[in-house]
Amino acid sequence: DAGVIQSPRHEVTEMGQEVTLRCKPISGHNSLFWYRQTMMRGLELLIYFNNNVPIDDSGMPEDRFSAKMPNASFSTLKIQPSEPRDSAVYFCASRPTGAGNYGYTFGSGTRLTVV
Amino acid sequence: AQTVTQSQPEMSVQEAETVTLSCTYDTSENNYYLFWYKQPPSRQMILVIRQEAYKQQNATENRFSVNFQKAAKSFSLKISDSQLGDTAMYFCAFREDTGANSKLTFGKGITLSVRP
Repeated sequence: DAGVIQSPRHEVTEMGQEVTLRCKPISGHNSLFWYRQTMMRGLELLIYFNNNVPIDDSGMPEDRFSAKMPNASFSTLKIQPSEPRDSAVYFCASRPTGAGNYGYTFGSGTRLTVV
Repeated sequence: AQTVTQSQPEMSVQEAETVTLSCTYDTSENNYYLFWYKQPPSRQMILVIRQEAYKQQNATENRFSVNFQKAAKSFSLKISDSQLGDTAMYFCAFREDTGANSKLTFGKGITLSVRP
C-alpha cells in the first residue's frame, strides 16, 4: 500500500487566495482526520470523518475553512480566503474505524505558506 | 476533555546512551490507548510504540520501551542505545476506546537531539 497520500507537498499562496489541500487515505481505512501543526499550538485536530461523514468539526478555526469527503478514497480541506496566520503544516491521517489499538497512519503533510 | 502534557520541551543525549521522555495525561476513562510518535526533520509522523490501558505489561519495540503507570496517568518512553537517527520530535498521544469517538489528542512534543 502507498500509505496516506497528500498533495501538494508545499504550497505558497498570496493572502486572499483559495487553497485546496488533498488527501487519499489508505484503502480500507474508514476514518480520516485533518490536523494542523504550528510551533505555537502544536498538533490540532481540525475535523474527522467516519465512513465519509463528518463527525466532529469543532476544531475548524472559522468559516473560511471547509472539508469534504465525497467518497472513501478522497478528501479535501479548503481555505477561502487564505490569511498569513493559516501558514502551517497540514496533515491528513487515516485508520480503520473501531480497530482498537491501531494508531493513525499519517501522510507526509502539506506545508502551506500564505504571504 | 482529555489532555496530554509533555513538560520537557527538549532533551539531549549522547549516542549509545539511554534517555527517557516523560508524558502525563488526564482522563476519566478506564479504557484507552496511548501512543508515541516520532517526527524527524522530514516531518513524517511515525508511530513508535503503543500501549493498551487494560494491559499491565509495558510495551516494547526493539530499543523503545514504555513505563506505563495507570494510577499516576504517566506514560514515559525509554530509548536505549540512542542512535543519531533518533534525533526528532517525539509526541505522546491519547485515544479513548469509545468506538466512533476515535480521535487522537497529542501533547506539545519534545525535541530530542542525539549527540555523536
